[in-house]
Parts: sequence; C-alpha cells; structure tokens
Amino acid sequence: NAGVTQTPKFQVLKTGQSMTLQCAQDMNHEYMSWYRQDPGMGLRLIHYSVGAGITDQGEVPNGYNVSRSTTEDFPLRLLSAAPSQTSVYFCASSYSPNPSEKLFFGSGTQLSVL
Amino acid sequence: DAKTTQPNSMESNEEEPVHLPCNHSTISGTDYIHWYRQLPSQGPEYVIHGLTSNVNNRMASLAIAEDRKSSTLILHRATLRDAAVYYCIGDNYGQNFVFGPGTRLSVLP
Repeated sequence: NAGVTQTPKFQVLKTGQSMTLQCAQDMNHEYMSWYRQDPGMGLRLIHYSVGAGITDQGEVPNGYNVSRSTTEDFPLRLLSAAPSQTSVYFCASSYSPNPSEKLFFGSGTQLSVL
Repeated sequence: DAKTTQPNSMESNEEEPVHLPCNHSTISGTDYIHWYRQLPSQGPEYVIHGLTSNVNNRMASLAIAEDRKSSTLILHRATLRDAAVYYCIGDNYGQNFVFGPGTRLSVLP
C-alpha cells in the first residue's frame, strides 16, 4: 500500500495564481483532512471530510476550498494565492472520525508564494 | 479543545530512557491522549494513544496520570532516529487534532 500520497512535493506560485494540491489514499479511509504547518509551529487544520460528499471547515479555512467526490481523493484548492499561504501542507487520513483511530499523514507539499 | 502544554525542548543520551511530559488539565472524560512525532522534513507519524490505562507498543509506552490531567511518553532506549518533534494531543473533536508546537527531542551520541 502507498498510504497517503501528496503531489506535488514542491511548488512555487506567484501572488494571485490558483492551484490544486492533490491528496490520495489507498486505505479506504473515511476521514481525510488538510493541515498547514508554518515554520517552528504545530499543524493547523484547514478543512476535513468524514466521507465522500461531506466536507467542513477547520481552524484556518479562508482562502482554501476542498471537495470529496470519491473516498480516495481529497484535493485542496488555493483560489488566489497570497504570500501568507507560504507553508508546508500535510494531508492526513484515518479509518473513521472516531477519536480512537490513528491518523496517517502524507509527506507534505512545500508551497512558496512570491 | 483539551489544551496541552509541553516543554519546548529536551535532550537525551543515546540508549538511555526518555520521559516526555505533557499537561492536559482541561481534558474531558472522553478525550483520548494521542502522541505523534515528526522527523525532519517528514509528515507526523503515530506513536501511541490511550484513554485511561497505561499503554505499551513496540515504539513507546504511555503513562497516564490517574486524574488524566497529565501523561508521559516513555521511550525506553533512545536512538539517534528518535530525534524529532513530539506532539501530545488531547482530542475533543473526533479526528480534528489540535497540534501545539510540541517538544523537540535531541538525542546525543
């Protein structure tokens, strides 16, 4: 199993550009989420999904959109990139939203917005 | 959310035990205590979790205080590969974990 796969690993954008960060998991997990991590800080939740067709906002959703049309994929869209969105982005998944489950993380996408 | 506090950093010598403390004084009765770690340039990885009883797995042990207001992650013999940032999470919203800045563990050879 590949686990949680994120693409691309690195991306440089200009202010105002849009792009989609891809996340896929092959573990048939119900729950998926996106976090961002700024230098020297912990992770902050952007959006999450408890199943196909269901998404909700986390702590820092502004400037980001998500959709969950399949169980496997959970793309994160930046609508109009801003320098404040320069960060490392992690996708995560778990078998269910149950708080006793383990979260599995991807290896991250490092995004720079100039 | 169950707010957690951890030391910013700790040091250990290789092959010695390490005790990483965490305070979660506002944890509710149904919140699990999770520990994750993040190696340099990688995503976080699961270490261990528990609710009330102490837990052991091949990576570590988790000791939970009787009042659940604190816990300790125990690495029995630290290796250089254990150098990482360790996050303690007292979760209150399903899998919507709240990550603080964690404890940066340095392992000295």
